[in-house]
Amino acid sequence: DAKTTQPPSMDCAEGRAANLPCNHSTISGNEYVYWYRQIHSQGPQYIIHGLKNNETNEMASLIITEDRKSSTLILPHATLRDTAVYYCIVTNDMRFGAGTRLTVKP
Amino acid sequence: EAQVTQNPRYLITVTGKKLTVTCSQNMNHEYMSWYRQDPGLGLRQIYYSMNVEVTDKGDVPEGYKVSRKEKRNFPLILESPSPNQTSLYFCASSIQHGELFFGEGSRLTVL
Repeated sequence: DAKTTQPPSMDCAEGRAANLPCNHSTISGNEYVYWYRQIHSQGPQYIIHGLKNNETNEMASLIITEDRKSSTLILPHATLRDTAVYYCIVTNDMRFGAGTRLTVKP
Repeated sequence: EAQVTQNPRYLITVTGKKLTVTCSQNMNHEYMSWYRQDPGLGLRQIYYSMNVEVTDKGDVPEGYKVSRKEKRNFPLILESPSPNQTSLYFCASSIQHGELFFGEGSRLTVL
C-alpha cells in the first residue's frame, strides 16, 4: 500500500480556497512530499513539492506540519478547471493511492 | 520538448496474444515506472526501474514483464494477456526521487 492516505472526495465552492489533506505518518527524514493532479484520464501532472518548509508556486501552496507527518495542499482560489483527482506521494515510495477527488462547484 | 512517449495509445486485443507497450523518455532520467489505473483504484504501480538493468516489482506485477536495456526505454510486456488486464496504463520517468513526468496513457482492452 501507498505510504500516504487521503480523503476520497471533497467539494469546494468556486472562488474559495480548497484545502486538501494528506497523511504520511511514516515518512523518512530525506523523503520529499509531492503533489500531482489528474484531470479525466490524462497523465497526472506535477503541482508542487516540499521537504520541510512551506512552499508556494503559481499553482498552489503546500503546508507541511513540523513533524512532517501530514501536509495540506492549498488551491487559494479554486476554479471549475481545478476539478480533478489530487494525489500526494513521498519520494522513496513513488506509489499512488486513490487520491482525493476534488469537485469545484459554481 | 521534454516528454514521455507511450505506444500504442489505444489497443484492442484478444486473450493470449502477446503484446508490448513501449515507453520512451528523452530527459535522461534514471527512474522509470509503469502504473495501471482502474476505476476507483487510483494508480497502482506495476514495475519500476531505478536505472539500466535494474528493475523491481511494484504492487501488481503479476502477468507483466519489463526490461531496461537502455536508459530511455522501458517497455511493458504482456506475454499472455487476459481480460483482467484491461486497463489504462501510464509510464512515468524522473530523476531519482524527483518530479514524475507521465506519458499520455495507453488504453488496453483484452477480449
